[in-house]
Amino acid sequence: DAKTTQPNSMESNEEEPVHLPCNHSTISGTDYIHWYRQLPSQGPEYVIHGLTSNVNNRMASLAIAEDRKSSTLILHRATLRDAAVYYCIPLGSYGGATNKLIFGTGTLLAVQP
Amino acid sequence: EPEVTQTPSHQVTQMGQEVILRCVPISNHLYFYWYRQILGQKVEFLVSFYNNEISEKSEIFDDQFSVERPDGSNFTLKIRSTKLEDSAMYFCASSEWGGIDNQPQHFGDGTRLSIL
Repeated sequence: DAKTTQPNSMESNEEEPVHLPCNHSTISGTDYIHWYRQLPSQGPEYVIHGLTSNVNNRMASLAIAEDRKSSTLILHRATLRDAAVYYCIPLGSYGGATNKLIFGTGTLLAVQP
Repeated sequence: EPEVTQTPSHQVTQMGQEVILRCVPISNHLYFYWYRQILGQKVEFLVSFYNNEISEKSEIFDDQFSVERPDGSNFTLKIRSTKLEDSAMYFCASSEWGGIDNQPQHFGDGTRLSIL
């Protein structure tokens, strides 16, 4: 399993963009990069995933480095509701196998009003 | 938006007793998972389930644990003889597919299990 490194914590102001980095230098060529977040007292929530190209959805954008050894989750305008722990999880694409998620310690994002 | 629902939200049980945690996955999903999170620690994978069989299980998922899909909607985790160290949040998740499509997993809000 690929090892990930994320900052323990980050702080942002409301309505400003937030860039959450993740290093995954041991990622394999077929691993997707998934991001989940966990709001206080809730279960993890899927945010976004990608393989090589940058990805956008209604929640966030994912920028993946050309060498795939790092990625950045971008929240374009942080809200108080975005305060959560954010997890970067490389995930193998195995034919027929299950995709167990291996959570690290993630980045605790605080959003100030 | 469809949700994974878990009951009860909080379960208090005496050590040595059996406990069953219940989950209703999203209706068209085919893969089901249990994770747990001990207070202050990481979320840990326990087991995945597909086609009425366990697909994969972790070292934590020993003989005291079992999973079942007793009908078309429920997915349960049974702990036969609870220990103090089983106290944790237990999360159920489901995904439309597993494997090659890398489908996102949708999580419930968990059951807090407290062993006395």
